[in-house]
This record gives sequence, structure tokens and C-alpha cells, in this order.
Amino acid sequence: QKEVEQNSGPLSVPEGAIASLNCTYSDRGSQSFFWYRQYSGKSPELIMSIYSNGDKEDGRFTAQLNKASQYVSLLIRDSQPSDSATYLCAVALSGSARQLTFGSGTQLTVLP
Amino acid sequence: DGGITQSPKYLFRKEGQNVTLSCEQNLNHDAMYWYRQDPGQGLRLIYYSQIVNDFQKGDIAEGYSVSREKKESFPLTVTSAQKNPTAFYLCASSEKHSTDTQYFGPGTRLTVL
Repeated sequence: QKEVEQNSGPLSVPEGAIASLNCTYSDRGSQSFFWYRQYSGKSPELIMSIYSNGDKEDGRFTAQLNKASQYVSLLIRDSQPSDSATYLCAVALSGSARQLTFGSGTQLTVLP
Repeated sequence: DGGITQSPKYLFRKEGQNVTLSCEQNLNHDAMYWYRQDPGQGLRLIYYSQIVNDFQKGDIAEGYSVSREKKESFPLTVTSAQKNPTAFYLCASSEKHSTDTQYFGPGTRLTVL
């Protein structure tokens, strides 16, 4: 079982719709969760971090964390064609190493 | 401008050659990381360093080596022992290893000819 799993997609949504990206993780002791956006051929850029159960909003982005169910999601409201990218979920697993483990990413396409 | 720089952007290597990828940061971050990304896959950790003159192996360290002689610099050498080195290599840093949030450089795309 992979430690961090994401639907690979591709996920297509029309412009202006809500895009919903999901991520599950296996380590119940995980404390820190991150969403990165990666455009084709570029490096990942941090969108949001979340540490506590519930929702965290930043502009058009909302991260949702449910530690009991071991999932974290990212909602993108009013999706724009410029949001078309691969979205990587990263989890800091418990333990002294506190390494980030990345999912394989979900490719999102926003259709004009 | 504060940030992380990686050079070169593209690198071509013949089989049997060692190559060194550069990573420099001026963010005054203590921790630095090297990841490898293959097409359609997530990032896999090669090595990381929490302080100068100290580094630890990640999940896929075989065939790679690093040094951390200065806080600002964390070069990665891809040796001839790495069987399949063609990939996108990403360097990242974080303020401290315990703060988790990592920021990435622009990456180096290595191709073995």
C-alpha cells in the first residue's frame, strides 16, 4: 500500500466550476499536510499547508483535513484555465525523520 | 532576490560518467533536500541535510552522493553506479527540518545519452 495516494486523473472541469482533488495517507501519526502545484516542466510550488482538522481557506483554494479518515483534499473554486497543472499532495509522516512523502499527483485540466 | 537556484537547467551525460548538480540557496535555511521525479510520478527523496557537514540517505540514495560544506550549498553527484539516472532532479530547502514546509528550486533535467 502506498503511503500517500492520489487519483492520477486526468480530471477535467469547465471554467468557473469547483475542482476537487483528494489524497489519502496511511500513517495515522502524520501531522503536516501540503498541496503543491506543478506546471508541466516546472518545479512544484507550495499552494497551502494544513495541520489541524477542518477547513483552511486561501483565496480560491480550500484545504480540508480529516485525520480520523486519513484524507486531505483541495478545492479550487471558480477554476481558471491557468489552474491546469498537476497537483501534488505531500504528507510529513510521523517519526524523527519527518520526511515529506509525496503522492504521484493529480493532473487537472480546466476547459475554457 | 531570495530563493533557490539550480544549475544547469539541462544536463546530458554519457554512460559511465559522473555528473554534479548544483543547488544554492540564500534563504538562510538550515535543511536542504534532493528529490528525483520520473514522468507521471511523485517526488522521491534521495538525500537530505539538516545542518552543515551532516546528511542522511533518503529512500533512493544508491548511486548518488552529496556534500554539505556550506549552509548555502548542497551539490548532488550522480555516479556511474546509478543505473537509470535520466530524470528531473529537484532541490528543496526548509527553514529547519522540523518545520516541514519545503520550497523548491527550478530543477535540473538530466538525460543519459
